[in-house]
Amino acid sequence: DIQMTQSPSSVSASVGDRVTITCRASQGVKSWLAWYQQKPGKAPKLLINVASNLQSGVPSRFSGSGSGTDFTLIISSLQPEDFGTYYCQQTNSHPLTFGGGTKVEIK
Amino acid sequence: EVQLVQSGPEVKKPGESLRISCKASGYIFTSYWIAWVRQMPGKGLEWMGIIYPGDSDTRYSPSFQGQVTISVDKSISTAYLQWSSLKASDTAMYYCAKYATGGYAYGSDYWGQGTLVTVSS
Repeated sequence: DIQMTQSPSSVSASVGDRVTITCRASQGVKSWLAWYQQKPGKAPKLLINVASNLQSGVPSRFSGSGSGTDFTLIISSLQPEDFGTYYCQQTNSHPLTFGGGTKVEIK
Repeated sequence: EVQLVQSGPEVKKPGESLRISCKASGYIFTSYWIAWVRQMPGKGLEWMGIIYPGDSDTRYSPSFQGQVTISVDKSISTAYLQWSSLKASDTAMYYCAKYATGGYAYGSDYWGQGTLVTVSS
């Protein structure tokens, strides 16, 4: 199985801050990586697929980059509604493993 | 409008069997992979397995192989997740999720609301 490691596990930031979340794969997954946002008590929401492809309706302050084993999700200017837990998932090979999650809190 | 509507919460005893469902609408059910994802209380997402309703091609995570069964009924556009003998450690929220156009490599673009399964004696 490909292991996905996210860091940090949690981050507390102020409105307007730039937030960076990283995801590392234990072996190369090309660009087959997705990012999800999950708010408490809700199902996850797909933000980005194929490492950098922003989904329709997702604010442009979210961006993704990377390929191979190292990936980044950036929130360029944190907004109050961006609280929640963010997960990466490699979609290159079965099983399609998730990272452990990064909890984003608003200061 | 694409919708995945899951069955309601379940409370079961250890050793009992269970099947939960995920009814799809608003798209061609047989053309998109569907996954099941577990989330234990206060924990992260775990990918359990995936099925292609068109031909019932099914892949399981090694962690869940032999522990659960994923199936579909194409006639009613419904996917299922089934246990033959529940354990207390199966207590979790379970989500179904449809994969995006292009296949499972493109991530899950629609999710069900989740089904909470509680297993307790």
